[in-house]
Amino acid sequence: KAGVTQTPRYLIKTRGQQVTLSCSPISGHRSVSWYQQTPGQGLQFLFEYFSETQRNKGNFPGRFSGRQFSNSRSEMNVSTLELGDSALYLCASSSGLAGENEQFFGPGTRLTVL
Amino acid sequence: AQKITQTQPGMFVQEKEAVTLDCTYDTSDPSYGLFWYKQPSSGEMIFLIYQGSYDQQNATEGRYSLNFQKARKSANLVISASQLGDSAMYFCAMREGRGSGYSTLTFGKGTMLLVSP
Repeated sequence: KAGVTQTPRYLIKTRGQQVTLSCSPISGHRSVSWYQQTPGQGLQFLFEYFSETQRNKGNFPGRFSGRQFSNSRSEMNVSTLELGDSALYLCASSSGLAGENEQFFGPGTRLTVL
Repeated sequence: AQKITQTQPGMFVQEKEAVTLDCTYDTSDPSYGLFWYKQPSSGEMIFLIYQGSYDQQNATEGRYSLNFQKARKSANLVISASQLGDSAMYFCAMREGRGSGYSTLTFGKGTMLLVSP
């Protein structure tokens, strides 16, 4: 069974640009969650998508958005990039069902904003 | 208030020794799950072990075990017979509301474990 994949692995952008990151969950998993990891703030939850619907959202500005497709693949978009958006972005895959006891992460996308 | 607290920023252990990484949590939800992840320098989060709030026995997975003390709200990770490859950052995380199906995890700040030969 293939694991969680994220593309691209590395990205360099400049302030003001926008970026789109992609996550493909484990086959059969319907939930994709996104997290931002920075040295200062640690791991913070961005949002979760389940069956193409945003089910939960963290405390991030509206510049951060996402979506999920019918094949469960998910994208997140950050518009008008700021220096503080430099981070490792991780996505997690799970069945999304009650009682789920496993969540698997992808390798992450390392975003650098110059 | 922090929901997950990991009080040890760094831990040192010699190869083949056992080590305990501390984690305390705070929740009023009776239904929750506790996770431990390992993050090597490559950045990938590797799932290690899970403990549900209603599980009667402590979880074990190979060399990893979770010392779950519900009344004290602690979920310490025990690694037996440390190996050099265990050197990494370790995160404790909690998911609340098992019945909701929500997959949101709240993470602690992490503990950096260094295993020496």
